[in-house]
Amino acid sequence: EVQLVESGGGLGQPGGSLRLSCTASGFTFSTYSMNWVRQAPGKGLEWVSYISSSSSDLYYADSVKGRFTISRDNAKNSLYLQMNGLRDEDTAVYYCARDLRYCSGGTCFYYNFGMDVWGQGTTVTVSS
Amino acid sequence: EIVLTQSPVTLSLSPGERATLSCRANERISSSYLAWYQQKPGQAPRLLIYGASSRATGIPDRFSGSGSGTDFTLTISRLEPEDFVVYYCQQYGSSSWTFGQGTKVEIK
Repeated sequence: EVQLVESGGGLGQPGGSLRLSCTASGFTFSTYSMNWVRQAPGKGLEWVSYISSSSSDLYYADSVKGRFTISRDNAKNSLYLQMNGLRDEDTAVYYCARDLRYCSGGTCFYYNFGMDVWGQGTTVTVSS
Repeated sequence: EIVLTQSPVTLSLSPGERATLSCRANERISSSYLAWYQQKPGQAPRLLIYGASSRATGIPDRFSGSGSGTDFTLTISRLEPEDFVVYYCQQYGSSSWTFGQGTKVEIK
């Protein structure tokens, strides 16, 4: 079964740090680009960050640029989000999501755009 | 920055009726970059449509997507009870993703 499981959420203080993890199973993690998407309580979806399969391309939403860092360890089938300088507005459920873009056999297939596998989410609350 | 505006915010219909959800961009986008998601309460989003009109794996054929340029549509041909939830459009551009604010389909 294709699955993503997030962990690491919890209570963080303003200005503090948290590190989220996402463990993948059931597919070849190392070939897929990945994303973090968040959803504040009662609000819509907000894309946070993207990482390509080889970690060569990293992108961030303006709202987190300079504070959050995305990374991955393909040997451990894991995706991470290091969150520093936490703010109240970072309070949200954080989802990891598999991108439709992937690389295989030295060729990257960047023809379809979307996120087809999602984790169940991990909740981050920023409060003093 | 591309902004996606979904309409209506809330759509009130009865089971068996046809639902038409709109997603409008403030500038032209490639159809390849437009996706639709369904989100049920307390659950993660589920990909319905990518490339504006391609159904994702396992998505029933009552869901269809269309449109180009700045105007895109998600159509649910006959609403089933489980379809009364929230739908988001999403676009890719300038190495980032943006979502619309969502449309809630509720039972009339």
